[in-house]
Amino acid sequence: KAGVTQTPRYLIKTRGQQVTLSCSPISGHRSVSWYQQTPGQGLQFLFEYFSETQRNKGNFPGRFSGRQFSNSRSEMNVSTLELGDSALYLCASMVGSYNEQFFGPGTRLTVL
Amino acid sequence: QQQVKQSPQSLIVQKGGISIINCAYENTAFDYFPWYQQFPGKGPALLIAIRPDVSEKKEGRFTISFNKSAKQFSLHIMDSQPGDSATYFCAARGTQGGSEKLVFGKGTKLTVNP
Repeated sequence: KAGVTQTPRYLIKTRGQQVTLSCSPISGHRSVSWYQQTPGQGLQFLFEYFSETQRNKGNFPGRFSGRQFSNSRSEMNVSTLELGDSALYLCASMVGSYNEQFFGPGTRLTVL
Repeated sequence: QQQVKQSPQSLIVQKGGISIINCAYENTAFDYFPWYQQFPGKGPALLIAIRPDVSEKKEGRFTISFNKSAKQFSLHIMDSQPGDSATYFCAARGTQGGSEKLVFGKGTKLTVNP
């Protein structure tokens, strides 16, 4: 069974630009969560989508948004990029509850 | 605010030694406590998990000890090996605003010297 895939793996943007990251969950998994990982803050929850609906949201500004498609694939968008948005963005999928979340390898975003 | 505090930030252990990572939480409603292991360039992977009705869970060289009254739990890695060198995250599952959420500690970078 294929794992969680994320594209692209690396991304370099400049301040003010916007970026879209993609995540394909494990087949059959309907929940997709997004996390931001930085050395200082660790893993911080961005949002979770389940069956195309945002089910949960973390404490991030509105510049961070996401969506989920009918095939459970999810995208995350960050608008008006800031230097502080440089991070590893992780996507995780699960069947239903948080008994086991499977993480993708992440997208490394660098904002210059 | 739901928080999980993890210590130490970094840990260096000799091969064959015991690695111990500690976590503390505040929310007594947390009902599931997983540990994740992350290697460089990879996403975190579930290592072992425990529920609050159990005081200890062991899987191979990895053991979680859980102290409900103290609101603390810890990961013990016995006979630590260089291949265990990774970043470890503790986490706790809770409900906020009617939805479940995993809250993570900030991670511990473990280095096992040969």
